[in-house]
Amino acid sequence: KQEVTQIPAALSVPEGENLVLNCSFTDSAIYNLQWFRQDPGKGLTSLLLIQSSQREQTSGRLNASLDKSSGRSTLYIAASQPGDSATYLCAVRVQGGSEKLVFGKGTKLTVNP
Amino acid sequence: NAGVMQNPRHLVRRRGQEARLRCSPMKGHSHVYWYRQLPEEGLKFMVYLQKENIIDESGMPKERFSAEFPKEGPSILRIQQVVRGDSAAYFCASSRARVETQYFGPGTRLLVL
Repeated sequence: KQEVTQIPAALSVPEGENLVLNCSFTDSAIYNLQWFRQDPGKGLTSLLLIQSSQREQTSGRLNASLDKSSGRSTLYIAASQPGDSATYLCAVRVQGGSEKLVFGKGTKLTVNP
Repeated sequence: NAGVMQNPRHLVRRRGQEARLRCSPMKGHSHVYWYRQLPEEGLKFMVYLQKENIIDESGMPKERFSAEFPKEGPSILRIQQVVRGDSAAYFCASSRARVETQYFGPGTRLLVL
């Protein structure tokens, strides 16, 4: 059974700091891994999607890496801003069957001005 | 191209009533996924449907919950005889094909009094 863990559960940093969010998964049989952002009371915004054959993806100040063999991914946020404050969710798409997404519980990020 | 639409956005029900949640996928998308997010928990897969077919309902509670995606109209998640533990945010996602990116709606927040 696929399980996704995100560490830390919460993180508070001053504005301008670079930071790393971690995600680990137990079964390497995945199609892809996706990072989402969720603002309080809102839906999910997809940030980056890494296919299982890829090592990393970049979008603006965000960079996500994937090490499938070790079951790990990191989301790197450069020069953090208060507007980055949100909960960041990691999800893997499992192989075989419905290709459902399995989510971690998220990391709640607060960037202080 | 409108995104995934869900309605209502907020729904209040008393114990024992029925809740009907609607999801209109993005145009051209025929695959729909429902996920539930309990307070302080990650999103959990519930059910995966294609037009007129349930593909995977392994995450659905065995009783009181049902889902459909008719040939015409939105997908419906139906909860009969709601209990307080059903209070959660219910998210719908859609994709164009089986392993393509899932796009999420804004969610329906159900509160059972």
